[in-house]
Parts: sequence; C-alpha cells; structure tokens
Amino acid sequence: DVLMTQTPVSLPVSLGGQVSISCRSSQSLVHSDGNTYLHWYLQKPGQSPQLLIYRVSNRFSGVPDRFSGSGSGTDFTLKISRVEPEDLGVYYCLQSTHFPPTFGAGTKLELK
Amino acid sequence: QVTLKESGPGILQPSQTLSLTCTFSGFSLSTYGMGVGWIRQPSGKGLEWLANIWWDDDKYYNPSLKNRLTISKDTSNNQAFLKITNVDTADTATYYCARIYRPPFDYWGQGVMVTVSS
Repeated sequence: DVLMTQTPVSLPVSLGGQVSISCRSSQSLVHSDGNTYLHWYLQKPGQSPQLLIYRVSNRFSGVPDRFSGSGSGTDFTLKISRVEPEDLGVYYCLQSTHFPPTFGAGTKLELK
Repeated sequence: QVTLKESGPGILQPSQTLSLTCTFSGFSLSTYGMGVGWIRQPSGKGLEWLANIWWDDDKYYNPSLKNRLTISKDTSNNQAFLKITNVDTADTATYYCARIYRPPFDYWGQGVMVTVSS
C-alpha cells in the first residue's frame, strides 16, 4: 500500500494567519493516465470529512479561495491563508492513484 | 442536493456479521461513472477505506479485509450496503458512506457508530 505521511501532526495557528500542511507519498502519485489523484479533506470537530481539494489543486464546489493545493510526484502541500475559526479541525490527504486508496494520518489545525 | 445517511445495528457481539445501509438522494447509482464507497474511523483515529461499488456493479475491497467484506447496491431504492463478517473489537468505529463521482468521496454521510462488545 502507498504510505501517506502528513506533517506536522499538530499545527497551532492564529486567526488570520497562514499555514501549510505537507503530505508525502511513498511512491509517485502520477497515474498512467497522466493525472495525479491526490485530494484533501477537512474533518471539523464532531463532523464528517468534507472534500476541499481534488487532484492536487482543484477546489471543490463552495470551498473558499483561501485554500490552495500544490505539488507533484510524491510531495504535496495544502496552504490555508487568512485562517478563520471554521477552518479548525483535522486535515487529511488521500491518494487514489494506486489501489487501495490510502489516507494520511491527519494534521490537526488548532488555535495557538 | 446530494445527501447520504448510514444506518446500522449500533452494537453487536464478536463473531457476528455487521450489516450497514447507506441511503442516499440527489444522485443515482445507475449514472455512468457514479460510485459509493465505505470508509471507517475508530474513535480518535484516522480514516480507513473499506470498499467501493460502481454504477456497473464493479466492486473493490480493501485487501486487508477483503475476505470479510461484501458490498452491494439496490439502485431502485437508492441504497448501498456493506457487510462485515466475523467482527471483533477492532471493528469498533464510525462507518461512513460517501459518493464517488469525478472527485472521490465528494459527499459524505453523517456516519454511524458501531461498537463490537461482548
């Protein structure tokens, strides 16, 4: 299975600040069709995960442009600018290039 | 509006079979390219993908649990199902179903808590 390593595990932030979360895969996530199937989810406290970014850098419907994704190959980053209270929770990356799909262990974004 | 809702037994005993139902609206599992997946999350821990079923009845299972999982669907009634046989305490978790379309797992249900205990 592809191992997804997220860093940091915990990320203290001040409201209005900017943060970056890293997700590294144990092998390249470039699919034979040329796409890279790396996605980001946010799980707010007591809620289900919600899709933020799909295929590295595409914001899902309704996701504010404060969220941006980048990266290639095995190294990916989620950047959140102007952090708001509703951004707090656990962020997960997911790869679906290789079978089986695997999630990172999560990064908890919390207030400083 | 896409919605999904999971239902299950709440609690069951080791060695029993867990049966979960995902009832959804706002999309059809007969639509080309559509799928539903199951993911679980032990309390305070991360996410584990379990199985997917597709519009054409293609099915995929997590190899680590493959022999214990069965996924199925009832397209007419907008439902998907997951059975896990021979459960033990390690299967205690919140179980989610989620839609798969162009992005995977774009809409999730609220989750159903399942406890395996004697």
